[in-house]
Amino acid sequence: QKEVEQNSGPLSVPEGAIASLNCTYSDRGSQSFFWYRQYSGKSPELIMSIYSNGDKEDGRFTAQLNKASQYVSLLIRDSQPSDSATYLCAPMNTGFQKLVFGTGTRLLVSP
Amino acid sequence: EAQVTQNPRYLITVTGKKLTVTCSQNMNHEYMSWYRQDPGLGLRQIYYSMNVEVTDKGDVPEGYKVSRKEKRNFPLILESPSPNQTSLYFCASRGTLTTYEQYFGPGTRLTVT
Repeated sequence: QKEVEQNSGPLSVPEGAIASLNCTYSDRGSQSFFWYRQYSGKSPELIMSIYSNGDKEDGRFTAQLNKASQYVSLLIRDSQPSDSATYLCAPMNTGFQKLVFGTGTRLLVSP
Repeated sequence: EAQVTQNPRYLITVTGKKLTVTCSQNMNHEYMSWYRQDPGLGLRQIYYSMNVEVTDKGDVPEGYKVSRKEKRNFPLILESPSPNQTSLYFCASRGTLTTYEQYFGPGTRLTVT
């Protein structure tokens, strides 16, 4: 079992729609979770962090965390073509030494 | 501006020629880390440092060295590069006291021929 699992995609949504990105993780001790956006050939950019169960909203982005199910998701409302990128899920490991990255979900938003 | 910088951004070298990729951050972060990113394999941690003079291996440390003599700098050293170290390298930093939000440098694309 991979430490962090994400559907590689591509996930295709029309402009203005809601994009839903999912992630499961295996480390039950993880307490901190992060979503990064990465454009091709560029560095990962932090877009959301979440530490408690439930929802956290920031602009068009909502992160959802369920530690019991070891599941974290990212919703992007009113998707724009500029949101087309790869989204990386990254839980912090139990010992807080590192982020464990999934291989990412590629999102394509069509005009 | 708060940032992580890396140099060089692009490097083409030959097998066995020692090289250093520099990383610097201006956010007074205790934690710094190096990753490599390869197609299909995602981001993999090479080395990390929890503070000055404290470094430890990540998931793929073979063929790499690091040092942390100053808080702001964390260079990555390839003493004898090989073609399998051709990759995109990222440096990152974060604080360790309140939040764990990690910020990445712009990346260094290394080609070893």
